Amino acid sequence: AQSVTQLDSHVSVSEGTPVLLRCNYSSSYSPSLFWYVQHPNKGLQLLLKYTSAATLVKGINGFEAEFKKSETSFHLTKPSAHMSDAAEYFCVVSRSNNAGNMLTFGGGTRLMVKP
Amino acid sequence: DSGVTQTPKHLITATGQRVTLRCSPRSGDLSVYWYQQSLDQGLQFLIQYYNGEERAKGNILERFSAQQFPDLHSELNLSSLELGDSALYFCASSRVTDYGYTFGSGTRLTVV
Repeated sequence: AQSVTQLDSHVSVSEGTPVLLRCNYSSSYSPSLFWYVQHPNKGLQLLLKYTSAATLVKGINGFEAEFKKSETSFHLTKPSAHMSDAAEYFCVVSRSNNAGNMLTFGGGTRLMVKP
Repeated sequence: DSGVTQTPKHLITATGQRVTLRCSPRSGDLSVYWYQQSLDQGLQFLIQYYNGEERAKGNILERFSAQQFPDLHSELNLSSLELGDSALYFCASSRVTDYGYTFGSGTRLTVV
């Protein structure tokens, strides 16, 4: 079984300050992990993915995440927030079947960016 | 444009009615997945099809059904609709070798 816990349902930062969105996972095997972003009234866009290569993963729009197996964490960070980063962020763990991948989503973190 | 097309974008219907949501996967993707996103349940996996066959089932109600056609597009049928079925329904597609999915922009269903 696999599960994902996003530790904060809401995070508020000021524009230009760092962003930290926390995610812990549970998986009985080596997981693939993702962060997706959803802007209001939009679909889900892949930010970045970890697939057992480098533990520090760089994504789009300046985001990055570090896989820490010992802490079962995959936190998302960005050095400097922009107003356009305001959105809902989902941490996701993947399990493969022989036809594709089954994704389990965390509950989401709503990021608010203050001017 | 992600390459996954969902129609319609919005749908308003009455309780007890039946609707069909349509999804065209990204070119070359054989797997199609349906998800429901609601305020109280978050993102819930409904069902997966691979090359026309059902491969995995999640929290899909008996009133809901889906299929994938030979041209690989998929339809999600929702019947005897209830107010609680109001949600955003996402389709996604992938290849076997992919990590993660490509999502469509969703169909917002409102049951009144």
